[in-house]
Amino acid sequence: SQQGEEDPQALSIQEGENATMNCSYKTSINNLQWYRQNSGRGLVHLILIRSNEREKHSGRLRVTLDTSKKSSSLLITASRAADTASYFCAEDKIIFGKGTRLHILP
Amino acid sequence: EAQVTQNPRYLITVTGKKLTVTCSQNMNHEYMSWYRQDPGLGLRQIYYSMNVEVTDKGDVPEGYKVSRKEKRNFPLILESPSPNQTSLYFCASSPTPTTQQYFGPGTRLTVT
Repeated sequence: SQQGEEDPQALSIQEGENATMNCSYKTSINNLQWYRQNSGRGLVHLILIRSNEREKHSGRLRVTLDTSKKSSSLLITASRAADTASYFCAEDKIIFGKGTRLHILP
Repeated sequence: EAQVTQNPRYLITVTGKKLTVTCSQNMNHEYMSWYRQDPGLGLRQIYYSMNVEVTDKGDVPEGYKVSRKEKRNFPLILESPSPNQTSLYFCASSPTPTTQQYFGPGTRLTVT
């Protein structure tokens, strides 16, 4: 299975701090995507990074990709309460991992 | 407004009573798929469809059927639901299998 694995499973940080989540995968990919899910709702696409890219930014989001280590990281800077959600990575044919639950403490 | 809709949003039913969860998208996407989400297991793909009349099994297809007679609709059919199919179901669509997926709001199904 190409299922990615997010790490950590859960993360609690203070509002304003940066949050970093990691994703590891097993086989070669063409691209990797990150999604956010608010409790019980559908996933929302955040960012896509292609295999020939090493870093990508979108607002407060920064994604890196290391194909040699088969890993990606999602950094959320200056976290806000609204960032509380689960975050999933997905490769190519959208095989999701189990996600990282992020909780922002006021 | 570009969207994926699912109906019903909530359903409580009994074992063995056939049910259909509808999914519709208005973005002319060719690729559609169904997922179930269970605590500790993440999202698992049930079935997907590359285009009209083309469907394939995902990771957990047992107990489910799908059809793709029109591009916009991709219903999920449970011929004889069982309690282990109690879950949160999501439909998604995208132009291709590897591009951004658009998710529906989810259907919470309880089978007693």
